Amino acid sequence: DIVMTQSPDSLAVSLGERATINCKSSQSVLYNSNNKNYLAWYQQKPGQPPKLLIYWASTRESGVPDRFSGSGSGTDFTLTISSLQAEDVALYYCQQYYIAPITFGQGTRLEIK
Amino acid sequence: EVQLVESGGGLVQPGRSLRLSCTTSGFTFADYAMNWVRQAPGRGLEWLSFIRTKAHGAAAQYAASVKGRFTISRDDSRSIAYLQMNSLKTEDTAVYHCVSSRDGYDLYFDSWGQGSLVTVSS
Repeated sequence: DIVMTQSPDSLAVSLGERATINCKSSQSVLYNSNNKNYLAWYQQKPGQPPKLLIYWASTRESGVPDRFSGSGSGTDFTLTISSLQAEDVALYYCQQYYIAPITFGQGTRLEIK
Repeated sequence: EVQLVESGGGLVQPGRSLRLSCTTSGFTFADYAMNWVRQAPGRGLEWLSFIRTKAHGAAAQYAASVKGRFTISRDDSRSIAYLQMNSLKTEDTAVYHCVSSRDGYDLYFDSWGQGSLVTVSS
């Protein structure tokens, strides 16, 4: 199974500042034949189901603010929030869909400093 | 608007069975892969199963933790996905989310239901 490891487990950032969450996979999730990274990011607020933010490692889902961006390739990925807003307080998960079993990172809790 | 609504959860004794339903609307169900993901209280996300579209052979796969006990299925005529859960264990206690994958094959999860709570306890 591909193990997804996020860092840090929790993060406190000031409003308007940049927040960076990392995700590392135990093996590459880059499919060479189409040059796509099978990596997605989700946001989960209290009492709500997760919401898709990013897929193919860097494609922003429709309606997601452009302050959210994804980067990386192979085994190392990053979710960046360029200017933190109060409504961004949430849990964030990465997920690989390269191969079953589909696996998630353990989650990163983002708070306001 | 895409909607996924789970039903069928509740309190069940260990060893018993339960069937979850996911009633959907707002999209062409037959073109979407469907998944089940659960979240135990205070815990992270655990993928359980997917079923691809009939165009992709309706192939299904399962997490090791539920393989042989859970069965996913789909009724494209009614736009409903199911999760039959047998031989339930206390560790199956969680909120069960129905999740859609619009790609049909590549399984990022674009829409999630609110979830149905399953409590396994004697």
